Amino acid sequence: EAQVTQNPRYLITVTGKKLTVTCSQNMNHEYMSWYRQDPGLGLRQIYYSMNVEVTDKGDVPEGYKVSRKEKRNFPLILESPSPNQTSLYFCASSCDPGVTQETQYFGPGTRLLVL
Amino acid sequence: GEDVEQSLFLSVREGDSSVINCTYTDSSSTYLYWYKQEPGAGLQLLTYIFSNMDMKQDQRLTVLLNKKDKHLSLRIADTQTGDSAIYFCAESISGYNKLIFGAGTRLAVHP
Repeated sequence: EAQVTQNPRYLITVTGKKLTVTCSQNMNHEYMSWYRQDPGLGLRQIYYSMNVEVTDKGDVPEGYKVSRKEKRNFPLILESPSPNQTSLYFCASSCDPGVTQETQYFGPGTRLLVL
Repeated sequence: GEDVEQSLFLSVREGDSSVINCTYTDSSSTYLYWYKQEPGAGLQLLTYIFSNMDMKQDQRLTVLLNKKDKHLSLRIADTQTGDSAIYFCAESISGYNKLIFGAGTRLAVHP
């Protein structure tokens, strides 16, 4: 079954404690992306990756890091989480970032609470 | 600049039609999408329309695009309780490696 998986699904942590949210896709997609969803703001892109070892900033990259060592995985790293990073995070992948009708497949989301 | 706007809430009676509206500002949009998010779930692509089309119908869903006014709408015929969700309008723009989302419209269906 084609899917994007994220782990963990729910996470409560404290300010400053490094954490990683994993994302994996089994569709051999080149493009992967991270979004955060906040009430009244919709989804905003954090980082994206066009292929292995190719990453770039989205609209809200501050406080986040990513890596793309393998095609299937695109972890999101919060080196020193802060309460303003409390949010719902979605990973997405696609063959093409959106110029064609190729859709982005979204993971189930990771709900993060930073105390 | 890029901006997508939607009203935040819509309430309809079961069996009625729902119309969710969206406006966008960037005229270089290539595709426009409607995503559905059910409680506790990820985003599910409902339908999309290419920017040179003005209408697309898919079973109970009808998408209308007014490119002159930069207005997109999603009509759901015979709305059911299972249609209760948040609906996101999104656009893709040629040369940009992302989707630009609206804030989402929460659709509540009541008996």
